[in-house]
Amino acid sequence: ETGVTQTPRHLVMGMTNKKSLKCEQHLGHNAMYWYKQSAKKPLELMFVYNFKEQTENNSVPSRFSPECPNSSHLFLHLHTLQPEDSALYLCASSQDEGLLRNEQFFGPGTRLTVL
Amino acid sequence: AQSVTQLDSHVSVSEGTPVLLRCNYSSSYSPSLFWYVQHPNKGLQLLLKYTSAATLVKGINGFEAEFKKSETSFHLTKPSAHMSDAAEYFCVVSEAWGSTLGRLYFGRGTQLTVWP
Repeated sequence: ETGVTQTPRHLVMGMTNKKSLKCEQHLGHNAMYWYKQSAKKPLELMFVYNFKEQTENNSVPSRFSPECPNSSHLFLHLHTLQPEDSALYLCASSQDEGLLRNEQFFGPGTRLTVL
Repeated sequence: AQSVTQLDSHVSVSEGTPVLLRCNYSSSYSPSLFWYVQHPNKGLQLLLKYTSAATLVKGINGFEAEFKKSETSFHLTKPSAHMSDAAEYFCVVSEAWGSTLGRLYFGRGTQLTVWP
């Protein structure tokens, strides 16, 4: 196990539900990331937070809403999702954003299924 | 922006035989390169990284990769495959300059199958 945890590990939701994904890192890092991993597609960066401030929104639909209350916690709030949003959502952290040779540490992911 | 191309989407080997997973990158500057591994239902784990020191990089579980600037390649190898190596492997390059310094760009992944 890495120092990045994610809950829940699996989530099934209907298109009208509201749910949240949680990520916590115990590594003392300042940057946190949300990625989407779909079958047969490269890993897609969704959001980046550095020192609790959002520094990247990679054209993500507004039905995904991130929240970063502190440098250790990152949430992804979900509402009115579509079936094509079904994927593995990975959280990662790194010492800081904007560092050369920036190693990221990943959580185990949340497998999301939208019915 | 940087990019990586993993030349094989699937590689199959027999246990005990060598593994070669190929990766080419494009970068205008001296890149930082990584290989990550993802086992089923798990997150990504760093195997090894190149950061402009030695061109032959040793990682965990007996894997190594060689940075070849002239070929813009960073292929991953292991002399003898083990059943536990079956997983998906991602070649990754880190942005080397500008406002997205440090941002990671992932290849599409290579699925490694190991036959007994």
